[in-house]
Amino acid sequence: GAGVSQSPSNKVTEKGKDVELRCDPISGHTALYWYRQSLGQGLEFLIYFQGNSAPDKSGLPSDRFSAERTGGSVSTLTIQRTQQEDSAVYLCASSLRQLDLNEQFFGPGTRLTVL
Amino acid sequence: KQEVTQIPAALSVPEGENLVLNCSFTDSAIYNLQWFRQDPGKGLTSLLLIQSSQREQTSGRLNASLDKSSGRSTLYIAASQPGDSATYLCAVAGAGNMLTFGGGTRLMVKP
Repeated sequence: GAGVSQSPSNKVTEKGKDVELRCDPISGHTALYWYRQSLGQGLEFLIYFQGNSAPDKSGLPSDRFSAERTGGSVSTLTIQRTQQEDSAVYLCASSLRQLDLNEQFFGPGTRLTVL
Repeated sequence: KQEVTQIPAALSVPEGENLVLNCSFTDSAIYNLQWFRQDPGKGLTSLLLIQSSQREQTSGRLNASLDKSSGRSTLYIAASQPGDSATYLCAVAGAGNMLTFGGGTRLMVKP
């Protein structure tokens, strides 16, 4: 596609429910990144994929968070047993390769509200 | 751990002014630095990317400089317009191209 797309754009859920957030990177981009933007913490890195592999998961806030990527394209970020502190905007970005010189392009984000 | 600071946190200027946004980072071992723009409720739009070996980049009315040794970057906006009103974010890329963001500068340009 023309840009990075994310769905849903907004998600309201009840505490304790599981949610899945989806990211569609720019076609041909092999690297994919997830970030979270919350009022108290600013923008923080969560996880990245090179192809379908996620070499470093240390940025994930807790073991309730997981992510996968299939076919070197779409990625899903799953949050289990959501808590109110998970409320934030979840942003996805992609770049042509997972090299240090590559510009990242961001999607519009998914705004998650946990009641 | 890399830390990125942006000053000022907020800025309000009349239309037509030239302005400078500042970004500083604690670890000079970066691979590149990106400036982004974020409009309310929207995602991030990349404005400029400066490779670690470069000193500056220009795009239209925007000019970004990088002094890696001192851990500083500035974004210069010439002849500001009301449409420039947004939050400007600075981010540095470390190993793996993971970005560390500053807290942003919220800019308001008044007609």
